[in-house]
Amino acid sequence: QQKVQQSPESLTVSEGAMASLNCTFSDGTSNNFRWYRQHSAKGLEVLVSIFSDGEKEEGRFTAHLNRANLHVSLHIREPQPSDSAVYLCAVSIYNQGKLIFGQGTKLSIKP
Amino acid sequence: DPKIIQKPKYLVAVTGSEKILICEQYLGHNAMYWYRQSAKKPLEFMFSYSYQKLMDNQTASSRFQPQSSKKNHLDLQITALKPDDSATYFCASSPGTPGNTLYFGEGSRLIVV
Repeated sequence: QQKVQQSPESLTVSEGAMASLNCTFSDGTSNNFRWYRQHSAKGLEVLVSIFSDGEKEEGRFTAHLNRANLHVSLHIREPQPSDSAVYLCAVSIYNQGKLIFGQGTKLSIKP
Repeated sequence: DPKIIQKPKYLVAVTGSEKILICEQYLGHNAMYWYRQSAKKPLEFMFSYSYQKLMDNQTASSRFQPQSSKKNHLDLQITALKPDDSATYFCASSPGTPGNTLYFGEGSRLIVV
């Protein structure tokens, strides 16, 4: 059974400083990794999807995947107060449509 | 405009009653899903449908029954409600192929008293 763990549980970063979030997963056959964010009482917004080792950039959001270490990270460049939200790591296994989510990292950006 | 519409947004129900959560998507997708987010738990997969057929069911209880009357609809009927069913229920859709990105609605928050 795939397990997804995120760290830290919460993170406060000053506006303009880099924010880095981590996610580890247990099943090395996973092949799809996505980062979503959830503003309070809202739906989920997909930020970046990554399928192979290395880096994938979408605007200010960059994901890094290292399958050997069972680790995927998200880096947010020049975060703004509007980026304050819960960030969710989601992992899926080849040929399965469902996603397994981590418990989330609550990110707060201080002006 | 939201492309995945969930109704109602908030719902209070009495223990033992039955409710239906509505989901419609206007993205032209062929696959639809239900997920549940309970307090202090990760978002949890419940069901997936593709072309109106059940593909995967991770919900142990038969009290939860998805209903797909049209390709862009996937409602969730919950019977004999319990306080533990209190959660936010999210509907999602994807183009259809496993591995595609899932897009989520804003959720229906259910409180069972």
